Amino acid sequence: NAGVMQNPRHLVRRRGQEARLRCSPMKGHSHVYWYRQLPEEGLKFMVYLQKENIIDESGMPKERFSAEFPKEGPSILRIQQVVRGDSAAYFCASSHPAGGGNSPLHFGNGTRLTVT
Amino acid sequence: QKEVEQNSGPLSVPEGAIASLNCTYSDRGSQSFFWYRQYSGKSPELIMSIYSNGDKEDGRFTAQLNKASQYVSLLIRDSQPSDSATYLCAVRLSGGSNYKLTFGKGTLLTVNP
Repeated sequence: NAGVMQNPRHLVRRRGQEARLRCSPMKGHSHVYWYRQLPEEGLKFMVYLQKENIIDESGMPKERFSAEFPKEGPSILRIQQVVRGDSAAYFCASSHPAGGGNSPLHFGNGTRLTVT
Repeated sequence: QKEVEQNSGPLSVPEGAIASLNCTYSDRGSQSFFWYRQYSGKSPELIMSIYSNGDKEDGRFTAQLNKASQYVSLLIRDSQPSDSATYLCAVRLSGGSNYKLTFGKGTLLTVNP
């Protein structure tokens, strides 16, 4: 009964490169959420997706960031032309659709992105 | 006005004492409330959820919700050093079928042996 799987666990990119973060939700979960956490700060919502649909991207920076959750395969958070300020822990979470508004989020282990 | 507020701490309690963690939220229509624990360098893990006014107990943990005061708290009885972590309050704000959670910044709890 695998939990939320994220990879890679650690990612190092030089400024200007692209970063791709992957997330496979828990079995049976069709809702995926991405959060960013800077050191000593709370979890900041970025985007909420269901299969093939972006439901809420109000927390995503307008440029360089994109997310998808295709019909098949994991959810991808893509950061183009990374800058040092993108260095953070990126957490993916998933929830089960049956619980509706009462469903908790279950988090993956995160991807620690370091931009050099 | 911040949507979910917590005292950042640190909150320090001796082993065996009761730790009390508090959280307030701004959206009066919020319906679902969650407490997560996050150890340093790790991911958040769900401790408890609460949806109705009153108390909900699970082992050493008790969540309390007062919607009129827009206040939710977490009590940890018989605190152990292993409870030392950051505790995150999360609220599902009202708004139809948008199921994202909004988190407070967390309260750092230290339990001293």
